[in-house]
Amino acid sequence: SQQGEEDPQALSIQEGENATMNCSYKTSINNLQWYRQNSGRGLVHLILIRSNEREKHSGRLRVTLDTSKKSSSLLITASRAADTASYFCATVNTGGFKTIFGAGTRLFVKA
Amino acid sequence: NAGVTQTPKFRVLKTGQSMTLLCAQDMNHEYMYWYRQDPGMGLRLIHYSVGEGTTAKGEVPDGYNVSRLKKQNFLLGLESAAPSQTSVYFCASSSIGGNQPQHFGDGTRLSIL
Repeated sequence: SQQGEEDPQALSIQEGENATMNCSYKTSINNLQWYRQNSGRGLVHLILIRSNEREKHSGRLRVTLDTSKKSSSLLITASRAADTASYFCATVNTGGFKTIFGAGTRLFVKA
Repeated sequence: NAGVTQTPKFRVLKTGQSMTLLCAQDMNHEYMYWYRQDPGMGLRLIHYSVGEGTTAKGEVPDGYNVSRLKKQNFLLGLESAAPSQTSVYFCASSSIGGNQPQHFGDGTRLSIL
C-alpha cells in the first residue's frame, strides 16, 4: 500500500525555473526520503529528513517537512535539462524500518 | 565500485516458465530488498532480508520466492511465471533498515507472454 502520494503527477517547466513537488502521507513517520529515477535506471537517493527536522538542503535541493500536516515538499532551484526524471517520496513509519514509496512525480525540464 | 548489480537486465518468458533474478551488492550491507515497479504504482516490496540466511515477506510476495545464502547476494525466483508478473524488478540494499538510504540496481525488465 502506498503511504506517500506525490503531487503533481507530472510537471513541465523551462530550464532555469524552480520545480516544486509535494508529498502527503497518512501515518506517523520516522523519516521521509526523496529519490530520483532517470529513465531506464534505478532510484538514486537524494535527501533523508527525520521527523524532528523541518528543513534540509543539498546543493540546489531544498526539502521541507511538516509533520502536523503530514506533508513534505521538494524544491529544485534553477532547474536544468538534466533534472528531467521521476521523483519519489518514501516514508519509514515510526517504529518500523520498511520504506514505502509513492507513485512519483514526473518532471520534464525543457531546454 | 559497482554498488548493486542485477542480472539479467531483460528477459522474456512464457507463461509457466521459471527463472531466477540475481542481485549482488559489494557494500557489505545487511539489508536487501526486492521491489516491483508497475506504471503509476510506484515501488512495491516483494520480499526482503535483514541479514544472511534470513528472508521475510513484503507487500506482494505471492508467486515469488527468495534466498539469501550469502550476504552479498539476494535471489528472486519465479516458479511458474504469469502475465501479471510482467514488470520491472529492482533490487536494493541498505546498511541498516529505515534510517539509512537504499541503494538500487538498474532493474530487470521482465515480460511474461
